[in-house]
Amino acid sequence: QVQLQESGPGLVKPSQTLSLTCTVSGGSMTSDNFYWTWIRQRPGKGLEYIGYRFNSGDTYSNPSLKSRLEISIDTSKNQFFLNLNSVTAADTAIYYCARGGPCGRDCYPLDFWGQGILVTVSS
Amino acid sequence: DIQMTQSPSSLSASVGDRVTITCRASQGIRNDLGWYQQKPGEAPKRLIFAASSLQSGVPSRFSGSGSGTEFTLTISSLQPEDFATYYCLQHHSYLTFGGGTKVELK
Repeated sequence: QVQLQESGPGLVKPSQTLSLTCTVSGGSMTSDNFYWTWIRQRPGKGLEYIGYRFNSGDTYSNPSLKSRLEISIDTSKNQFFLNLNSVTAADTAIYYCARGGPCGRDCYPLDFWGQGILVTVSS
Repeated sequence: DIQMTQSPSSLSASVGDRVTITCRASQGIRNDLGWYQQKPGEAPKRLIFAASSLQSGVPSRFSGSGSGTEFTLTISSLQPEDFATYYCLQHHSYLTFGGGTKVELK
């Protein structure tokens, strides 16, 4: 059973960079059949796609966040990362990591999710 | 970008009721759609993938249908544990979530 776990600071100051790690266990990240995804949920709101990355390096980002966003993967540690810079209070949310795929002839949507981590942007 | 319009945004129902939730895509997405259930304080859980395939372990009272632009999630007989918020997710072109449907007790 694949498990994902988010980690990182729960409080970030405005204008700084929000950095989160997702650690994957119970499965390898070396296959390029899966995409590794970040999603967030602002307080009391719905789910918002942030971006995702394949092991090959192909990365796709929400256009509204693309200019501030970096997603990277370290397969040697079975981890992937989110960096979101120049944060404001509007970036306060629960951040989830999730696995999508497998992708072959067809591609499948997110199956395994982390439990989520609340990140508050405040001075 | 593909937009997903989910309706209703909320509904009130009783145990045993049949519940239907709809997602409409702004353009055709074949059957590249999943349905998710989220309970308070928990991560979303996948119920349906490929528009109509039931995730292993999910009760058979849940079903999905549709293709192209119109999709439906049906709960045939609502159970107490089904009161939650439901989201659709298209993965045909990048990812887009529907706005969510909160199912509440009448």
